[in-house]
Amino acid sequence: GENVEQHPSTLSVQEGDSAVIKCTYSDSASNYFPWYKQELGKRPQLIIDIRSNVGEKKDQRIAVTLNKTAKHFSLHITETQPEDSAVYFCAASYTGGFKTIFGAGTRLFVKA
Amino acid sequence: NAGVTQTPKFQVLKTGQSMTLQCAQDMNHEYMSWYRQDPGMGLRLIHYSVGAGITDQGEVPNGYNVSRSTTEDFPLRLLSAAPSQTSVYFCASSLTGQDEKLFFGSGTQLSVL
Repeated sequence: GENVEQHPSTLSVQEGDSAVIKCTYSDSASNYFPWYKQELGKRPQLIIDIRSNVGEKKDQRIAVTLNKTAKHFSLHITETQPEDSAVYFCAASYTGGFKTIFGAGTRLFVKA
Repeated sequence: NAGVTQTPKFQVLKTGQSMTLQCAQDMNHEYMSWYRQDPGMGLRLIHYSVGAGITDQGEVPNGYNVSRSTTEDFPLRLLSAAPSQTSVYFCASSLTGQDEKLFFGSGTQLSVL
């Protein structure tokens, strides 16, 4: 079955710096890659997603890149702010599979 | 719309007790699922359903039962709770379960002593 690995497990950056979180997946059939943000004590919420027919997607300060050949995808956050501090999860799924498999999460600390 | 509603928010059980975690959604979503969240292990899929009367196993189904008698409700049953089932449980739903955003409930924090 699908396996998603996520690195690093913890990331600490200075406010205004960039943060990058990387994920790899095992199932070459995977074609949908969402990213969720979970603030302390809250539910996970989708922040951005990318499909396999696209190499990059941007939404204001966040961007995702996908390398299907290497089975890698990454989340990039620019100009980080204290409110970006949270746990971020990558995930993967494929059409017809009905299973969204999550990585172990990255705890991001943004220091003011 | 209330979205995805989970009850209870907190629960303490003794080993061997049974209980049901409730999940309801009012968005007319066909797909519903249960995840457990443990430190350092992310969100792991327990069971999912693609519509009323249809359920299937996820990554970690052992010790849990589900049923889906209506589109709105997807309860998770622990028949004989074990300390290893201490976790935070999230219910999530989406329209079809195919390549789309999951809407999560607020979670149930379960402790099994």
